[in-house]
Amino acid sequence: QKEVEQNSGPLSVPEGAIASLNCTYSDRGSQSFFWYRQYSGKSPELIMFIYSNGDKEDGRFTAQLNKASQYVSLLIRDSQPSDSATYLCAVNKGSNDYKLSFGAGTTVTVRA
Amino acid sequence: DAGVTQSPTHLIKTRGQQVTLRCSPKSGHDTVSWYQQALGQEPQFIFQYYEEEERQRGNFPDRFSGHQFPNYSSELNVNALLLGDSALYLCASSLGQLAGGETQYFGPGTRLLVL
Repeated sequence: QKEVEQNSGPLSVPEGAIASLNCTYSDRGSQSFFWYRQYSGKSPELIMFIYSNGDKEDGRFTAQLNKASQYVSLLIRDSQPSDSATYLCAVNKGSNDYKLSFGAGTTVTVRA
Repeated sequence: DAGVTQSPTHLIKTRGQQVTLRCSPKSGHDTVSWYQQALGQEPQFIFQYYEEEERQRGNFPDRFSGHQFPNYSSELNVNALLLGDSALYLCASSLGQLAGGETQYFGPGTRLLVL
C-alpha cells in the first residue's frame, strides 16, 4: 500500500466550476499535509498546508482534513484555465520524520 | 525576498560520470531537502540537511551524497551515473524544526539527462 494515494484523474472541469481533489494516507500518525501545484516541466509550487481537522480557505482554494478518516481534499472554486496542472498531495509524519511523501498526483484540465 | 535557487537548470552527462548540483535556500531558511522526480512520477525524497549534517535519508544508494555549507546552501553529488538517474532534481528549503512538519518550498529544479 502506498503511503499517499490520490484519485487518479485526469479530471476535466468546465471553466467556473468546482474541481474536487482527494487524497488518502496510510499512517494515522501523520501530522502535516500539503497541496502543491505542478505545471508541466516546472517544479512544485505550494498552494496550501493544513495541520488541523476541518477546513482551511485561501482565496479560491479550500483544503479539508479529516484525520479520523485519513483523508485530505482540495477544492478549487471558480476554476480557471490557468488552474490546469497536476496537483500533488504531500504528507509529513512529523515525530523526527522530515520527508514529504507524495501521492502520484491528479492532473486537472479546465475547459474554457 | 529571494526564493530557492538551483544551478544548473539543465545538464547532460554520460553513464559513469559524476555530477554536482547546487541549491541556495530561501532567505531565512536553514534546512535543505533534495528530491528526485522521474518523468511522470511523483518526487522521491533523497535526503535532508540541517546544521550541516544529513539528518534523514531516503531509499537511495550511496552514489548519492550531499553537503551543506555554513551559509545553508547545499550540493547534491551523484557518482557513477546510470541511465535511470535521468530526472528532475528538486531542492526544497524550510525553516528547521526539531520534529518535522515544516513547510518546504521548492526551487526550479535541475533537469539531468544521462546518455
